[in-house]
Amino acid sequence: GAGVSQSPSNKVTEKGKDVELRCDPISGHTALYWYRQRLGQGLEFLIYFQGNSAPDKSGLPSDRFSAERTGESVSTLTIQRTQQEDSAVYLCASSLRVRETQYFGPGTRLLVL
Amino acid sequence: EDKVVQSPLSLVVHEGDTVTLNCSYEVTNFRSLLWYKQEKKAPTFLFMLTSSGIEKKSGRLSSILDKKELSSILNITATQTGDSAIYLCASRSGGGADGLTFGKGTHLIIQP
Repeated sequence: GAGVSQSPSNKVTEKGKDVELRCDPISGHTALYWYRQRLGQGLEFLIYFQGNSAPDKSGLPSDRFSAERTGESVSTLTIQRTQQEDSAVYLCASSLRVRETQYFGPGTRLLVL
Repeated sequence: EDKVVQSPLSLVVHEGDTVTLNCSYEVTNFRSLLWYKQEKKAPTFLFMLTSSGIEKKSGRLSSILDKKELSSILNITATQTGDSAIYLCASRSGGGADGLTFGKGTHLIIQP
């Protein structure tokens, strides 16, 4: 594949519903990262995966947020019981190895009504 | 807590002007500083800086890191309307999460 892909590109949901966001990293990239960008704000680190190691969840804002990754491929970010403040663009990035240049996907724009 | 501050937050110039964007950082165990250009949604990588005083250049864009001043600048010469974007600065530290800490960005608008 050419680059990082994410789906859906846009998601509108009602407050209290669960949502699942998907990221397909560049093939062969061992590290995968999730970020959030609220309107008018900088990018906020959420979580990263490196190979088969336990993920670093230090940036997750609450226990409503969780993420999984299958091996070194697809990752899903799940937000349970969504709140209006979860509205943001969720960006995924991958890198060949840890601490190398990260390449970003197009993002998922989430709107919680 | 790691912190990255960019200035100005927004800037409007005319085509052909030269602009300088600023980034300052406070990070634990600094490793590198990165610049991204963000149009629409996804940021695209511009530069990664690890050594102080060495300029990185790509066409009309250049960037340099000053570790003594804990800062970096991004220069764009002979600006074009296609340079209009949000320019993000991010720092990477050696400890803890490998995620980058981003500044809020500089919103650059180039008027024809």
